[in-house]
Amino acid sequence: GAGVSQSPSNKVTEKGKDVELRCDPISGHTALYWYRQRLGQGLEFLIYFQGNSAPDKSGLPSDRFSAERTGESVSTLTIQRTQQEDSAVYLCASSLSRDIYYGYTFGSGTRLTVV
Amino acid sequence: GESVGLHLPTLSVQEGDNSIINCAYSNSASDYFIWYKQESGKGPQFIIDIRSNMDKRQGQRVTVLLNKTVKHLSLQIAATQPGDSAVYFCAEIYSGTYKYIFGTGTRLKVLA
Repeated sequence: GAGVSQSPSNKVTEKGKDVELRCDPISGHTALYWYRQRLGQGLEFLIYFQGNSAPDKSGLPSDRFSAERTGESVSTLTIQRTQQEDSAVYLCASSLSRDIYYGYTFGSGTRLTVV
Repeated sequence: GESVGLHLPTLSVQEGDNSIINCAYSNSASDYFIWYKQESGKGPQFIIDIRSNMDKRQGQRVTVLLNKTVKHLSLQIAATQPGDSAVYFCAEIYSGTYKYIFGTGTRLKVLA
């Protein structure tokens, strides 16, 4: 597609429920990243996918968080047993290559509110 | 640990004035920097980048300055317009890694 697409744009869920967030990267982009942005704060790295390589999961805050990516296409971020502290905007970004000079293209994010 | 920080969390400027947003980085090995603009409800958008072998780069109404001696990055916006109101992030990365490190961000408010 023309840009990185994320869905849903907004999600309100009850504490304890599971949620699944989706990211459609730009076609042909081999690298895909998930970041979390709490209100008024910077971007916190969660996970990185590059082609068929093992993902870098070092940023996932707990075992309630997991992510998958099928080949070089769609990725889903799953949060199990959501907590209020999980409320944030979850941003997905993709990049043409792992070459750092390509930069990222971000989606508009999913705003997650846990009540 | 490595971090990218910003001196001013909020900057208010008059429309038409020039804006300067500052950023300090701690990793002297970082060799590539990007400024992103994030408008309300949107994801960060690339504005301008600079490699460590440069000290200045200009775009359309924007200029990025890099001072490696003091590990300082700045974004200058000329003739600031209402549409420039947003949060601005700087990000750093160094060769051999693939994760950008982002600062907290500076909110730019343009006053009419």
